[in-house]
Amino acid sequence: AQKITQTQPGMFVQEKEAVTLDCTYDTSDPSYGLFWYKQPSSGEMIFLIYQGSYDQQNATEGRYSLNFQKARKSANLVISASQLGDSAMYFCAMRGTNAGGTSYGKLTFGQGTILTVHP
Amino acid sequence: NAGVMQNPRHLVRRRGQEARLRCSPMKGHSHVYWYRQLPEEGLKFMVYLQKENIIDESGMPKERFSAEFPKEGPSILRIQQVVRGDSAAYFCASSSGANTEAFFGQGTRLTVV
Repeated sequence: AQKITQTQPGMFVQEKEAVTLDCTYDTSDPSYGLFWYKQPSSGEMIFLIYQGSYDQQNATEGRYSLNFQKARKSANLVISASQLGDSAMYFCAMRGTNAGGTSYGKLTFGQGTILTVHP
Repeated sequence: NAGVMQNPRHLVRRRGQEARLRCSPMKGHSHVYWYRQLPEEGLKFMVYLQKENIIDESGMPKERFSAEFPKEGPSILRIQQVVRGDSAAYFCASSSGANTEAFFGQGTRLTVV
């Protein structure tokens, strides 16, 4: 079974500052992928960044970077230079594989963190 | 290239009616996933389909819920005899393979009155 834990129900950050959103996971799958999605108040799910469990380097996408610490089973999202438009709910998610290396396809989501960016 | 299209965006049903939610995947995608999001919660996996086949339905309630993805046309999530507890946002995602990035639709907000 897979489990994603996001321990911060809400986070506040000043505009232009950096913020880290925490995500820890638990799985026994031989390989897996970790995702972050943004859900603004309008409700859609926007893909932000992906990290594979065997990737050597931490993923980066523009202002988003993923601080992947495999031994600690954490995959924290770092948003640099926060903008007012970053205010949203953020979800961490995982997709695993079976022993044969076949992806399960489905994602397991955490409970989410509401980020509020103050001007 | 249109994204994942879900319709309707909002659906209101009375208790006991049927709800049909539609999802057209992105062009070239043959894998479809349905998720449910209750208020203030994360998304919960319901079912994973590939053209004409159900791959994984481990998250589907045993009764009243069904899903299909026919050879032609959109994927349909069907909820029979809806109850208030079915009120939620239902998201569809599609991908070109089980191990590739999944893109989400805008969701259907179902309200049961």
